[in-house]
Amino acid sequence: AQTVTQSQPEMSVQEAETVTLSCTYDTSESNYYLFWYKQPPSRQMILVIRQEAYKQQNATENRFSVNFQKAAKSFSLKISDSQLGDTAMYFCAFILLRSGTYKYIFGTGTRLKVLA
Amino acid sequence: GAVVSQHPSWVICKSGTSVKIECRSLDFQATTMFWYRQFPKQSLMLMATSNEGSKATYEQGVEKDKFLINHASLTLSTLTVTSAHPEDSSFYICSARVVAGGHYNEQFFGPGTRLTVL
Repeated sequence: AQTVTQSQPEMSVQEAETVTLSCTYDTSESNYYLFWYKQPPSRQMILVIRQEAYKQQNATENRFSVNFQKAAKSFSLKISDSQLGDTAMYFCAFILLRSGTYKYIFGTGTRLKVLA
Repeated sequence: GAVVSQHPSWVICKSGTSVKIECRSLDFQATTMFWYRQFPKQSLMLMATSNEGSKATYEQGVEKDKFLINHASLTLSTLTVTSAHPEDSSFYICSARVVAGGHYNEQFFGPGTRLTVL
């Protein structure tokens, strides 16, 4: 069975500092996508960053970047220059392309609080 | 682009009544939509996958007769909670799969609907 594990239920970081959220997953498949989503207090799910498994280069989106280690099945999210607006739940997810169902498999989430 | 709306955003109903939640893709066509349920401080739990023009595929443990899903057009999917009871109170979120314009199997999410059953 495919699983996603986020081992840090809660984290905090000082404003302007850097924080890394961890995510590991388990699958025997080789063709998949990985995502990080942010859910602020409004509860609107927002896509933060996407990584295709076949790409070796780590994805970046402004202050957000990932460390994708395919062999280790690890997909951590680094947030640089943290801002108060980054306070949210962060969910790691992946989708298996071969399944044809396009279903996400979500982790349990990490609650991040950015401190002023 | 890729905006998903939900209506209503908040609904309160009496036990035993039915409630319909709409999910619309505003600027794209969505052949596949998903319905999730989220309890406080927990992750999203997939309830069902909705494909336009066909019956929804429900996840194990989800009562299909209680949570009726209809995906009659490429921009609208509805979730009807029938004979609602207090234990159905939750936050319901829909999403739509986008495969166009540089998106690759990403899901874009609606803002959610908070259901409270009295």
